[in-house]
Amino acid sequence: DIVLTQSPALAVSLGQRATISCRASQSVSISRYNLMHWYQQKPGQQPKLLIYRASNLASGIPARFSGSGSGTDFTLTINPVQADDIATYYCQQSRESPNTFGAGTKLELK
Amino acid sequence: EVKLVESGGGLVQPGRSLKLSCAASGFSFNDYWMGWVRQAPGKGLEWIGEINQDSSTINYTPSLKDKFTISRDNAQNTLYLQMSKLGSEDTAIYYCARAPGFYYFDYWGQGVMVTVSS
Repeated sequence: DIVLTQSPALAVSLGQRATISCRASQSVSISRYNLMHWYQQKPGQQPKLLIYRASNLASGIPARFSGSGSGTDFTLTINPVQADDIATYYCQQSRESPNTFGAGTKLELK
Repeated sequence: EVKLVESGGGLVQPGRSLKLSCAASGFSFNDYWMGWVRQAPGKGLEWIGEINQDSSTINYTPSLKDKFTISRDNAQNTLYLQMSKLGSEDTAIYYCARAPGFYYFDYWGQGVMVTVSS
């Protein structure tokens, strides 16, 4: 299985930039497709898709969220961070079955 | 509006079986892959598996392949998860989700809690 590694937590100040990373144990890219996706989950809620295929903003998601990366290294950026962004963020790869999720990065206020 | 509503959860004894349902509405169900994801209390997300539009391809995470069965009824716009030989490690919120392509999930249900305990 492809293992996705995320830092457990990240502390950030409101209005600042947050950079959340996800590293895969092997490449999750095929040709021009980077099969890494990002979700936001708030306590008591279901996950919400933020970014698909590494850099594509999902419908209804604010432009302060962006994604980048290829191969094994991917980044979710939130700029500027707002209070409503305090949540846990998960990456997911779909390059290979079984699809796998990272353990999540909890975004906290500094 | 896309809507996914899970049902069938609850308290179940170890070793027993349970079948979850996910009722879909607001989109053409038979045009999409669908999947199941679970989340144990206080833990992260675990991908269970996915099923294609005509049920000809079903993928599972290997550790659950012998216990869980994913199916769908396109006439009823419903996705199912049959779980057997349940243990305490299966206690979790179970989510169904829609997969529009490239196997990410763009819509999720609100989840249903399954508690395995005697």
